[in-house]
Amino acid sequence: ETGVTQSPTHLIKTRGQQVTLRCSSQSGHNTVSWYQQALGQGPQFIFQYYREEENGRGNFPPRFSGLQFPNYSSELNVNALELDDSALYLCASSLLAGGQDTQYFGPGTRLTVL
Amino acid sequence: RKEVEQDPGPFNVPEGATVAFNCTYSNSASQSFFWYRQDCRKEPKLLMSVYSSGNEDGRFTAQLNRASQYISLLIRDSKLSDSATYLCGWYNNNDMRFGAGTRLTVKP
Repeated sequence: ETGVTQSPTHLIKTRGQQVTLRCSSQSGHNTVSWYQQALGQGPQFIFQYYREEENGRGNFPPRFSGLQFPNYSSELNVNALELDDSALYLCASSLLAGGQDTQYFGPGTRLTVL
Repeated sequence: RKEVEQDPGPFNVPEGATVAFNCTYSNSASQSFFWYRQDCRKEPKLLMSVYSSGNEDGRFTAQLNRASQYISLLIRDSKLSDSATYLCGWYNNNDMRFGAGTRLTVKP
């Protein structure tokens, strides 16, 4: 086990709703990255947080937002949910910002939008 | 051209076989590269990072060719436990990209 935890495990929402996903990083890690993985695809980078600041962002619209807390845990918020937002959402923690350091993934939250 | 392209797969090989995956990338500024394995309905786990001309870890060898912009993964003496999806990817300036993955099934 990596020590990275995510909640909830599964979630069902309807179009237009808002959702908050949570991630607790591995002990000692100060960087959290979020990814979206659609069925049959690789993880798509959403953004990264380092010491409570956004530290890089992929090609996702502003309705995808995040937070990192002083204990380095993190939230991913998605507003105005769309059907295409249905996916596995993964967070990964690392000791160093950027991605050069090994990223340890959590088990993911499977989001279904109806 | 996709940012990261992988062999379409799936690869079905017998135990003990040697199998190789290729992965091409379009961003010539990519700084570092890696291979992850992902078991069905599980999270990705780092298999190998590839920082320079390549590296080896037991039965696994990763190669990087910057001139041709591809990385490869070679698995020797395949085991049943190697069955998984293998994801390649790159990192550059706080941006990380993964390929869609290649499915490997090792059969008895």
